[in-house]
Amino acid sequence: IAGITQAPTSQILAAGRRMTLRCTQDMRHNAMYWYRQDLGLGLRLIHYSNTAGTTGKGEVPDGYSVSRANTDDFPLTLASAVPSQTSVYFCASSPIAGSPDTQYFGPGTRLTVL
Amino acid sequence: AQSVAQPEDQVNVAEGNPLTVKCTYSVSGNPYLFWYVQYPNRGLQFLLKYITGDNLVKGSYGFEAEFNKSQTSFHLKKPSALVSDSALYFCAVRALTGTASKLTFGTGTRLQVTL
Repeated sequence: IAGITQAPTSQILAAGRRMTLRCTQDMRHNAMYWYRQDLGLGLRLIHYSNTAGTTGKGEVPDGYSVSRANTDDFPLTLASAVPSQTSVYFCASSPIAGSPDTQYFGPGTRLTVL
Repeated sequence: AQSVAQPEDQVNVAEGNPLTVKCTYSVSGNPYLFWYVQYPNRGLQFLLKYITGDNLVKGSYGFEAEFNKSQTSFHLKKPSALVSDSALYFCAVRALTGTASKLTFGTGTRLQVTL
């Protein structure tokens, strides 16, 4: 059972470069989410998608974009990375948007922007 | 706006002793409350959730949490701690934003269980 996979596991990136973090789930969940985890701040929602073809902004969306072309994939793109985007990024999914479903998390991507 | 507070950055407990990790919340309407655990270099794992019904919720690995509406709290408890319980614990509250199921997380509490 794979659940949610994220790639890469970690990445060091020069400021100004473009980067796409990949997220794939095999649970056929409708809703998917991207969070960033920073020390002392917990997890903060970047973007979400209720279902394939739709996306929405979370708490900290600036500098990030997402797409949801199909049910399984939810890539997160940093168009021009900045050092403040250094963080650990988690992708998550839940069966149905708008319900108290449990969210399931991927293993994370550790991103360092220099 | 909804919020979650975890007042303790770290909780230290000896193995075999009971443990409590505190969480208070603020949300409009009925709260849906969650506890997640994060082991080093891993993603978050679901422990338990409160939706409705009994105030005492039982979850994975012997953990339980008590919902207290008057105190707006959802403290995580375990009767007898294990060294393997050492991890980072997050409380979260769900609020509805449009049609999205948005979870707001606390800042996390590190639990350290020692022999």
